[in-house]
Amino acid sequence: QIQLVQSGPELKKPGESLKISCKASGYTFTDYAMQWVKQAPGKGLQYMGWINTQTGKPTYADDFKERFVFSLETSASTAYLQINNLKNEDTATYFCAKDLYYFDYWGQGVMVTVSS
Amino acid sequence: DIQMTQSPSFLSASVGERVTLSCRASQNINKYLDWYQQKLGEAPKLLIYNTNNLHTGIPSRFSGSGSGTDYTLTISSLQPEDVATYFCLQRNSWYTFGAGTKLELK
Repeated sequence: QIQLVQSGPELKKPGESLKISCKASGYTFTDYAMQWVKQAPGKGLQYMGWINTQTGKPTYADDFKERFVFSLETSASTAYLQINNLKNEDTATYFCAKDLYYFDYWGQGVMVTVSS
Repeated sequence: DIQMTQSPSFLSASVGERVTLSCRASQNINKYLDWYQQKLGEAPKLLIYNTNNLHTGIPSRFSGSGSGTDYTLTISSLQPEDVATYFCLQRNSWYTFGAGTKLELK
């Protein structure tokens, strides 16, 4: 069955960096793009962008063009989200989602806490 | 940018009741509208895609309709396990989520 398994929770200080993983199984990784979605505590869903799993080309939403990096390790069927120079407002849960035009399968989410 | 307005923000309903949630776009989104259910502490789950197509494994009590700027998710007979927040997502022009409707049991 299709699964997206994300890495564990993170506690970081402002200014630090982190890298979240999203490991896919149950389908051919390069057949579908990977989407990323942010959810701040108690808030709604915010679209971050997507990465083409065939070419590795990322596309970012306007709010995520500065410190956010999408990448791949295709041999491991894994997508990554790196956040540089962390800020308090990056505290959120980050989801990956398989893209079949709509987001048909989601990872369980990674809770990131940024606090000094 | 397309804005998505969901209503109501909160809804309290009884088991067995028919429930209707709405999502309005700021411009025509050509039926590129999906509905997601998110239970507390869980990832969102796809319910409906392209306005009215039920995703695999989703109970038939869920249905979607709409066109142009106005879209609806209907639960024909509310069940206790349907307590969740429901989000719409437009994919016609980039991607925009609605703010969500929190559905509770009365």
